[in-house]
Amino acid sequence: DAGITQSPRHKVTETGTPVTLRCHQTENHRYMYWYRQDPGHGLRLIHYSYGVKDTDKGEVSDGYSVSRSKTEDFLLTLESATSSQTSVYFCAISEGSDTGELFFGEGSRLTVL
Amino acid sequence: GNSVTQMEGPVTLSEEAFLTINCTYTATGYPSLFWYVQYPGEGLQLLLKATKADDKGSNKGFEATYRKETTSFHLEKGSVQVSDSAVYFCASRAGARQLTFGSGTQLTVLP
Repeated sequence: DAGITQSPRHKVTETGTPVTLRCHQTENHRYMYWYRQDPGHGLRLIHYSYGVKDTDKGEVSDGYSVSRSKTEDFLLTLESATSSQTSVYFCAISEGSDTGELFFGEGSRLTVL
Repeated sequence: GNSVTQMEGPVTLSEEAFLTINCTYTATGYPSLFWYVQYPGEGLQLLLKATKADDKGSNKGFEATYRKETTSFHLEKGSVQVSDSAVYFCASRAGARQLTFGSGTQLTVLP
């Protein structure tokens, strides 16, 4: 199994509070991604990183920010959580080849009340 | 932009039935195509992939052929098992930066 660890795995929070999800990899892969999974939408890309301090927006980036200060860690922050951000969040990593697969973490379930 | 459209679910089959889950894509250029599977409570795992036209990906009895002329990558299995019950996602990758997913198809196989 690819070495990807997400934390926390489950979190319940209130509207308006900040939340940070962490993704840690031990594979030294260049690319890291944050996706959210919602019924009927599949997985949608929030942000991704193509190197330390190099990040870019995905299709659903509003309300989210990311940081990557080390190769192995990619943080996703919700500055002020809203109920629409209740979702399951998946981190993924990739070596970067356009034929290569993404390896996924086990997911972080976030509930915003 | 890139997009993936896959067959709406849920799909319910009896054990040993034939499975087809349709997937079509739109993309600039020639993307790599993937099928991922998600078992309950888990992350996504790669099931199979194809990187160029007419390639056939296969794994665990599942197959899919990259059809450029119909922009399709349909997933098939000749005889499904209860253990195949999961959510299946079709995805395309045009370039190194991201994977675009379909909405997923829930498969339930009954004994």
